Amino acid sequence: GAGVSQSPSNKVTEKGKDVELRCDPISGHTALYWYRQRLGQGLEFLIYFQGNSAPDKSGLPSDRFSAERTGESVSTLTIQRTQQEDSAVYLCASSQNRGQTQYFGPGTRLLVL
Amino acid sequence: KQEVTQIPAALSVPEGENLVLNCSFTDSAIYNLQWFRQDPGKGLTSLLLIQSSQREQTSGRLNASLDKSSGRSTLYIAASQPGDSATYLCAVRGLMDSNYQLIWGAGTKLIIKP
Repeated sequence: GAGVSQSPSNKVTEKGKDVELRCDPISGHTALYWYRQRLGQGLEFLIYFQGNSAPDKSGLPSDRFSAERTGESVSTLTIQRTQQEDSAVYLCASSQNRGQTQYFGPGTRLLVL
Repeated sequence: KQEVTQIPAALSVPEGENLVLNCSFTDSAIYNLQWFRQDPGKGLTSLLLIQSSQREQTSGRLNASLDKSSGRSTLYIAASQPGDSATYLCAVRGLMDSNYQLIWGAGTKLIIKP
């Protein structure tokens, strides 16, 4: 079956603009994670969704970041009033359930000018 | 707070050589450790997962070891090929992470020269 997909693959925006990133998890996967990877650094956890439970937002770096997920399907990560330090690759992963192997999408490369 | 370190940051070796990538972590209370491969534009691929009770896992030319007491894991790649060129990431999942978050190293960029 299809893997995790993300769109857009690349996004260039101007400082101060809002951006929305999309993740389509593997069908049937209840858990969905968003990560950020800055150039030359490891992955940073941002937010985690598990079924219909309240999401774990503990990794969001500021209130400019928010994410939503509709049931167990698509998720969107929104960054408001983008800053240059938001430039990174944003990766989405899903797993069948909490604690199981995570499958990653190809990422969205965001560049804030 | 768990910290994961990978050394070296980059490695270039001739095709055919055996090589070892290193991963160290500061808190030995882990649930498991995973090695991933990252190819540009293709996302991450899980290579090997070692549970905390295990010492090693093997898949083809790859062998990963885990020594919890010393906070170390190694990824051994035998008979390297140009197609092995990628960034290799290790990640640990802590025992106390209620949401099973992964803590990541920064990766080792591997180049296999033909």
